[in-house]
Amino acid sequence: TQLLEQSPQFLSIQEGENLTVYCNSSSVFSSLQWYRQEPGEGPVLLVTVVTGGEVKKLKRLTFQFGDARKDSSLHITAAQPGDTGLYLCADYGGSQGNLIFGKGTKLSVKP
Amino acid sequence: GAGVSQTPSNKVTEKGKYVELRCDPISGHTALYWYRQSLGQGPEFLIYFQGTGAADDSGLPNDRFFAVRPEGSVSTLKIQRTERGDSAVYLCASSLVGGRETQYFGPGTRLLVL
Repeated sequence: TQLLEQSPQFLSIQEGENLTVYCNSSSVFSSLQWYRQEPGEGPVLLVTVVTGGEVKKLKRLTFQFGDARKDSSLHITAAQPGDTGLYLCADYGGSQGNLIFGKGTKLSVKP
Repeated sequence: GAGVSQTPSNKVTEKGKYVELRCDPISGHTALYWYRQSLGQGPEFLIYFQGTGAADDSGLPNDRFFAVRPEGSVSTLKIQRTERGDSAVYLCASSLVGGRETQYFGPGTRLLVL
């Protein structure tokens, strides 16, 4: 069974700082996804990456996929309080679409 | 259009009781997934429906858990003889056709078993 490990588990920073969170898999990702989950809400898909070495940008968020497709990072530039939430990485567990999630990184951005 | 909705948003019950959790997927979505998220954890897959049938129930922890989707739209997750360890957020997601389509999650039902 694939295991996704995310680090750090918790991160508390000031507004304006940069940060990077990581996701590592025990096996090659088939389709790595990053989600953000705000308190009291379900996860919302941020990005999907499938090609080794791929870099995707979403405003202040930069997602990088490792060449070997077993690791990924999410970098946030100039963090804002609205970035606060739980960042989850996930992969498909099978062809039916069921997702396997990491435990997440809980980010708190203080004004 | 409306997103995925789940009711109730919160449920408090006593150990041993029966509970039902409801999910209304996005209209037209044939695939529906249930996940459970315990405190400090990521969501864990429970069951997947394609239309009316449970195509994959490998994530259900034991036979106290059961889910139905009789008309291929609304789904109900049923938990019998609840235990304190069942306390968690139960999330529902839907996608257009299943497989590797984007899943849209509801806000979840927070279940607390006393």
